[in-house]
Parts: sequence; C-alpha cells; structure tokens
Amino acid sequence: DAGVTQSPTHLIKTRGQQVTLRCSPKSGHDTVSWYQQALGQGPQFIFQYYEEEERQRGNFPDRFSGHQFPNYSSELNVNALLLGDSALYLCASSLVAGPNSPLHFGNGTRLTVT
Amino acid sequence: AQKVTQAQTEISVVEKEDVTLDCVYETRDTTYYLFWYKQPPSGELVFLIRRNSFDEQNEISGRYSWNFQKSTSSFNFTITASQVVDSAVYFCALSEAIGPSSASKIIFGSGTRLSIRP
Repeated sequence: DAGVTQSPTHLIKTRGQQVTLRCSPKSGHDTVSWYQQALGQGPQFIFQYYEEEERQRGNFPDRFSGHQFPNYSSELNVNALLLGDSALYLCASSLVAGPNSPLHFGNGTRLTVT
Repeated sequence: AQKVTQAQTEISVVEKEDVTLDCVYETRDTTYYLFWYKQPPSGELVFLIRRNSFDEQNEISGRYSWNFQKSTSSFNFTITASQVVDSAVYFCALSEAIGPSSASKIIFGSGTRLSIRP
C-alpha cells in the first residue's frame, strides 16, 4: 500500500521563477493538505483540497496556488519565488475532510531558492 | 488565536531514561483535536496519537504515554525507557473545525529535538 508520494525530492530555483510540486495521496485518501516547513520550525499550513476545491487556506500570499485532480492527486504552484520560500514542502493526505482525521505525510520536497 | 507552544527546543538523555515532552496549547474552541507527530531525519512526519477535547483519559501505547489536562491546556508526551531509535523531532499539533465544510488546518508547535545517547 503506497503512502503519500511527492516529487521531486529536491529542487533548486532562482528568485523570480515559478515552481510546481506534485503529490499523490495515500491509497483511499481523498483530501490533500500542503504545509511549508522552514528549517528548525514546525510545518505551517498552506491550504487543503477536498473534492477538487480549496477548502481552507493559511496565511500565505496568492503566489501560492494549488490544484486537485479527479484522481485526488495535487499540485502546489509557487510564482515569483522569493529567497524566503526556501523550505521543505510537505504534502499530507487523509480520508475525509475534517478536524479529527489524522494526516499521513510524504517525505517532502526540499526547495532551495537562490 | 490558536497556538501550540513547545518550550523545550532540545532534550538529550541517556538511553533507558524516561523523558517527557511538554506541550501547551491555546484555543477558544470547545471542540478541538490534539496530535503528536514524530519527524525522523528522513523528514517524513509520522502520526503518533490523536486526542479530542472531550476525552481526557490518559493513553498508553507501549513505551509511549500521553497526559491530557484541559485545566492547564497541556498535552504532554512521555517516553519510558528511551531508545536510540526514539531520536527525532517531535511535534505537538492542534486542529479545530472551521466553517460549515468542516475543513480544518493543523497548527504545529515548533518541535522538540530529542536525542537519545547510547
């Protein structure tokens, strides 16, 4: 049973560029959330997708956008990259949209912006 | 405002010692959920436990135990007879129901880095 898979594992981009990160949820899961984890910090919620709609959003600018596909996989897009966007981006999936559903996390994508 | 505080940034103990990781949370909601996650060096966050706000029973799972006290807004995590494999960063987290869609976001603390020395 495959868990949450993310690609790529590492990425280096230049300031001002755009990046797309991808996530496949754990088999049977229908909800995907994205988190940003800066070095030495806890993950911060970016947004959550359920039924192909953004259900909730954290305090991130519009440069961060996402999408969920009919097969429940998801993409995170970041435009006009800033040095401060360098972080580990974690994707998490769960079975239903709800506060008591434990998240299953992927290994993350390490994004470095130079 | 919702907030999770893990005051201990780093803890180092010798193998077989017991260790407690502290977690204090803030929320105005009456219904909420508390979690603990483990993050080994590989980076993946591993779910350990979920507790809802109406269940204050302590829980034990093998060498792990959790103490939930609403009166002090704390949800502490104890590892008994620690092992080197327990070395990781541990995160306490809080989630609430937001809006009619019941979508939620999880708020993580800043984590406690636990090192178990052989």
